[in-house]
Amino acid sequence: AQSVTQLDSQVPVFEEAPVELRCNYSSSVSVYLFWYVQYPNQGLQLLLKYLSGSTLVKGINGFEAEFNKSQTSFHLRKPSVHISDTAEYFCAVSDETSYDKVIFGPGTSLSVIP
Amino acid sequence: DAGITQSPRHKVTETGTPVTLRCHQTENHRYMYWYRQDPGHGLRLIHYSYGVKDTDKGEVSDGYSVSRSKTEDFLLTLESATSSQTSVYFCAISVGQGAKETQYFGPGTRLLVL
Repeated sequence: AQSVTQLDSQVPVFEEAPVELRCNYSSSVSVYLFWYVQYPNQGLQLLLKYLSGSTLVKGINGFEAEFNKSQTSFHLRKPSVHISDTAEYFCAVSDETSYDKVIFGPGTSLSVIP
Repeated sequence: DAGITQSPRHKVTETGTPVTLRCHQTENHRYMYWYRQDPGHGLRLIHYSYGVKDTDKGEVSDGYSVSRSKTEDFLLTLESATSSQTSVYFCAISVGQGAKETQYFGPGTRLLVL
């Protein structure tokens, strides 16, 4: 069965500093990986996704993530954060046997400090 | 914007009363989902639908039922609401084919059961 771990429940970071939000997954088959962002009082918005091909995936708002199969990780990074990046970030996984079902991690709250 | 609306956006109800939440999509996508979001749990799948009158249970289906009589509408019903069902409910659709499917979310419904 799939599962997703986001080890950091809260990440404070100063404006213009780099950030990395960690995501690890467990699955016995090929996976598809997603990062979603949720701004306060809004729904979830897709940031980026990995389906196949290049392990470095670029998304919206300057975010990128790298798929590392050996470490079963899909960490999200941004080289310089803005105040507007303050939000909840969710990592999610599906796989080739159940791509119609997506399992979400518990979320990481990113707080950007001016 | 994936053309998903949810109604109502906010609801306060009393324990033991029935509640129905509506999800409406404008693009005739086959797959639709209901999730609940609670602190520390991320999103958990309640029920999903893979076509008109075709539905299946998710991870946390107890106490919930769903119906899909039209492609565009997916209803979630709490037959007898309990305080443990206080949550934010999100509807999602799945866009794409097979492994390229990606989920897009509605704005959410905040439900408070007193």
